[in-house]
Amino acid sequence: GAGVSQSPRYKVAKRGQDVALRCDPISGHVSLFWYQQALGQGPEFLTYFQNEAQLDKSGLPSDRFFAERPEGSVSTLKIQRTQQEDSAVYLCASSLTPTGGGTEAFFGQGTRLTVV
Amino acid sequence: AQKVTQAQTEISVVEKEDVTLDCVYETRDTTYYLFWYKQPPSGELVFLIRRNSFDEQNEISGRYSWNFQKSTSSFNFTITASQVVDSAVYFCALRRYSGAGSYQLTFGKGTKLSVIP
Repeated sequence: GAGVSQSPRYKVAKRGQDVALRCDPISGHVSLFWYQQALGQGPEFLTYFQNEAQLDKSGLPSDRFFAERPEGSVSTLKIQRTQQEDSAVYLCASSLTPTGGGTEAFFGQGTRLTVV
Repeated sequence: AQKVTQAQTEISVVEKEDVTLDCVYETRDTTYYLFWYKQPPSGELVFLIRRNSFDEQNEISGRYSWNFQKSTSSFNFTITASQVVDSAVYFCALRRYSGAGSYQLTFGKGTKLSVIP
């Protein structure tokens, strides 16, 4: 597609439920990122993929968070046993080149997760 | 450690006024990238500009201009003759030029701009 696509746009989960958030990056983009944006805050880095390899998962807040990109394109962020503090907008971004470089990341519209 | 500070939480201006959004950053790196993103109510982050730390030339793009001052670690963004469509949250961000974590953006908390007709 023309841009980064995320689904669902909105998700309400009961506390303790598992959720899966999907990201379709721009075709051909090597790098894929997940960020978490709490209400009124800037996005914070969660994890980074270069093709199918997860090179950095240092930002994942707990072992309840898991991300994968098995074929180097679509990525899924899974949150197990959701807690209220997981409520946030989850943003996916992709960029053309591998690490760093002079390219910008293109962001999707995000998935707003509300845990009740 | 890297840090970006956007001291202005919210700004309101009347349409056609000029407005400057402030950004101050901290980094131990000598070379790095700086970015501005716009986040309209629809939620996606829209890329506006990327600057290299070794290029201090100011840039103008239509009604937008950016003032990069390495000596004061600031990268301010000015909108001239603001319009209602400029209403959004604006984020300043920092990224390492190379090395560990050079793919990772560090964002400020954002400045919410409201342009009143």
